[in-house]
Amino acid sequence: TQLLEQSPQFLSIQEGENLTVYCNSSSVFSSLQWYRQEPGEGPVLLVTVVTGGEVKKLKRLTFQFGDARKDSSLHITAAQPGDTGLYLCAAEETSGSRLTFGEGTQLTVNP
Amino acid sequence: SQTIHQWPATLVQPVGSPLSLECTVEGTSNPNLYWYRQAAGRGLQLLFYSVGIGQISSEVPQNLSASRPQDRQFILSSKKLLLSDSGFYLCAWRKSGQALTGELFFGEGSRLTVL
Repeated sequence: TQLLEQSPQFLSIQEGENLTVYCNSSSVFSSLQWYRQEPGEGPVLLVTVVTGGEVKKLKRLTFQFGDARKDSSLHITAAQPGDTGLYLCAAEETSGSRLTFGEGTQLTVNP
Repeated sequence: SQTIHQWPATLVQPVGSPLSLECTVEGTSNPNLYWYRQAAGRGLQLLFYSVGIGQISSEVPQNLSASRPQDRQFILSSKKLLLSDSGFYLCAWRKSGQALTGELFFGEGSRLTVL
């Protein structure tokens, strides 16, 4: 079982600030996904990264996959209150059936 | 289009009572199905997953069980609930054959409180 560590666990910032959250493991990932979850709902996929060193952008969100495929980061530029939520990383085992989630980063963006 | 629905949305049960949460997927065939549990504001713990009818993989020892009696139906059960079973239960599906990169689609969740 691969363990995914996310940091920070909680993050409270003001609107307009930038932030980065991290997802790390001692294992090599076959692929990694980032999800965002709002209270009382299921998580929704933001991005999937597969290749070491890959960078993907989704509007103000930038996702980076480490060269060794053991870590990933999510950077948000000019955060807005609508970005508030629980951000979860999830990694795939090589078998391809079992997706494991990290503990999440709870982000609060204050107006 | 594909949809996933789970019920009930909210459940309050006494310790020692049985549990049945049901999840169905429409618009796809032979999906991979998952049950996750989530503590408040925390990550998702994988409980069970299934790659086909009657095929269940259990991830953690517990007093819960899962069954897949039909291709698109996934049921989470318990004979006797414990206080520690309280939480937010999420059913999810993914297209078969999309190993490693496929998106997980989640149901609305079922909030269980055991008193």
